[in-house]
Amino acid sequence: QKEVEQDPGPLSVPEGAIVSLNCTYSNSAFQYFMWYRQYSRKGPELLMYTYSSGNKEDGRFTAQVDKSSKYISLFIRDSQPSDSATYLCAMSAAKAAGNKLTFGGGTRVLVKP
Amino acid sequence: EPEVTQTPSHQVTQMGQEVILRCVPISNHLYFYWYRQILGQKVEFLVSFYNNEISEKSEIFDDQFSVERPDGSNFTLKIRSTKLEDSAMYFCASSSGPRETQYFGPGTRLLVL
Repeated sequence: QKEVEQDPGPLSVPEGAIVSLNCTYSNSAFQYFMWYRQYSRKGPELLMYTYSSGNKEDGRFTAQVDKSSKYISLFIRDSQPSDSATYLCAMSAAKAAGNKLTFGGGTRVLVKP
Repeated sequence: EPEVTQTPSHQVTQMGQEVILRCVPISNHLYFYWYRQILGQKVEFLVSFYNNEISEKSEIFDDQFSVERPDGSNFTLKIRSTKLEDSAMYFCASSSGPRETQYFGPGTRLLVL
């Protein structure tokens, strides 16, 4: 079983729709959960950062973490064509000296005008 | 807004040659990381670095790889004898604390011929 699993997509939605993304994981030591956006051949750009279980909202983005189910989600409201990108979930355990991030494979999202 | 920078953006080298990839982390950050992403695959952790020493490394980070912080601003990744399978996008990241957000640079695309 992979440590972090993410549907590769592509996920195609019309402009204005809600985009729903998710990841599952197997390592119960993960406590920090992130969503990054990556445009083609660019570096990952942080969108959301959450600790442990719960919800976090930032503008059009909502991140949810359910540690009991080992499941995290990202919702993008009122999607725009500029949201077309690959979305990467990443997670890490708590360590004293630098946390390595374990990434999912990414979901490619296409928002059509 | 401060950002992580990387040079060069592209590097082409012959198999067996040494390459040095350079990164300038965000100035007040103390934790540094290298990741790589082979085309079409997930972002993979290579190494984390804190207080002038490696804090964690992955199985990929074998004796061919080394990291260094030669001065107060640069952080480098050296591959001593490149192999074809080292062709990938290499990302540098930095964070202000072990559990703080990791900010990624734009990457160096390495092609080994």
